[in-house]
Amino acid sequence: GIQVEQSPPDLILQEGANSTLRCNFSDSVNNLQWFHQNPWGQLINLFYIPSGTKQNGRLSATTVATERYSLLYISSSQTTDSGVYFCAVEGKTGNQFYFGTGTSLTVIP
Amino acid sequence: DAEITQSPRHKITETGRQVTLACHQTWNHNNMFWYRQDLGHGLRLIHYSYGVQDTNKGEVSDGYSVSRSNTEDLPLTLESAASSQTSVYFCASMGAGADGELFFGEGSRLTVL
Repeated sequence: GIQVEQSPPDLILQEGANSTLRCNFSDSVNNLQWFHQNPWGQLINLFYIPSGTKQNGRLSATTVATERYSLLYISSSQTTDSGVYFCAVEGKTGNQFYFGTGTSLTVIP
Repeated sequence: DAEITQSPRHKITETGRQVTLACHQTWNHNNMFWYRQDLGHGLRLIHYSYGVQDTNKGEVSDGYSVSRSNTEDLPLTLESAASSQTSVYFCASMGAGADGELFFGEGSRLTVL
């Protein structure tokens, strides 16, 4: 399967700070999604972004498919942004998603 | 609104017992998936289905089975539960085609004693 690496593994921020999370993947993909797992364990879709750039409020994401990476930007972080951020990619063959091990974000008031 | 629901949300069972976790989606999605989540491993694929009567093994399928008799449901069965199967289980679904978006249920926490 496709290898998905996320960095950094852990991140602690002061409220109001900005951050960039990175996702590298080992092969060409049909699909890439970013998820936020909140402290209650729910997996929430943030972006469906196989290529290009998207923005949703304080969050934005960019995927450069030819270079096999994606970035998630969080601006003006809030305590509610805390949780684990996962990148998942779908390979070219078959509708299977491969997940990275996530970036654990803690935002301190 | 369409949704994906899992039950039970929490279950404690004993080693050797059979356990079934239910997953029901109202998205009318063809593709459904079961993942387990463990510390240090992220989410790992157990089984998946591309449609009625179709089932496939994922990377950690040993000790698990699924069946797909209709579009809405993909139950996950542990034939003889083992302590190594203590985990949080997530069901997900996705529409067909190259632009499908993956949606998750709320998870089922299983403890095998």
